[in-house]
Amino acid sequence: NAGVTQTPKFRVLKTGQSMTLLCAQDMNHEYMYWYRQDPGMGLRLIHYSVGEGTTAKGEVPDGYNVSRLKKQNFLLGLESAAPSQTSVYFCASFEGWDTEAFFGQGTRLTVV
Amino acid sequence: AQSVTQPDIHITVSEGASLELRCNYSYGATPYLFWYVQSPGQGLQLLLKYFSGDTLVQGIKGFEAEFKRSQSSFNLRKPSVHWSDAAEYFCAVGSGYSTLTFGKGTMLLVSP
Repeated sequence: NAGVTQTPKFRVLKTGQSMTLLCAQDMNHEYMYWYRQDPGMGLRLIHYSVGEGTTAKGEVPDGYNVSRLKKQNFLLGLESAAPSQTSVYFCASFEGWDTEAFFGQGTRLTVV
Repeated sequence: AQSVTQPDIHITVSEGASLELRCNYSYGATPYLFWYVQSPGQGLQLLLKYFSGDTLVQGIKGFEAEFKRSQSSFNLRKPSVHWSDAAEYFCAVGSGYSTLTFGKGTMLLVSP
């Protein structure tokens, strides 16, 4: 049981390049989230999904797109990376408020 | 929209001393409240959670937290801190809209 797996773990992009971060969970959870973590800012919600085929905007959605074509996968896309998107990205999944949210180990992205 | 305030950015505690980390939330209904811990370079681990019932909740690693509705607080406590407790601690609130909102975190430093 792997839990929540994020791919890749590290990446360096040039400004204007695109990339996709993959989050995969094997717990059959309905809810999945993408956060970014910046020093002194805590974790801020980018986008989230409450089930397969659904997505919704969080607190800081600009510059990102997401898709949830399969229940187990939640993809975060950067169409044209900017230095302001340098951050550590965390994915999480959970089934409901009476359970625990499980987090991936994070993706450290640097945009130069 | 819900929000979480952690007033202390850094706290230094001597090993063996007691610890209290403060958390205040803003949410209109009965909140779902969580404390997470993050060690350097790692993901987030759930320490404890509150949904309803007994306002004093016990968690892992000897931590406990008390929900005080009148003060909109959910402070984390530990009677005797160990050097291995040095980490960043995040308070979070969950809402009926299925989003989990985090505070900006408190960095705990443990002095010998």
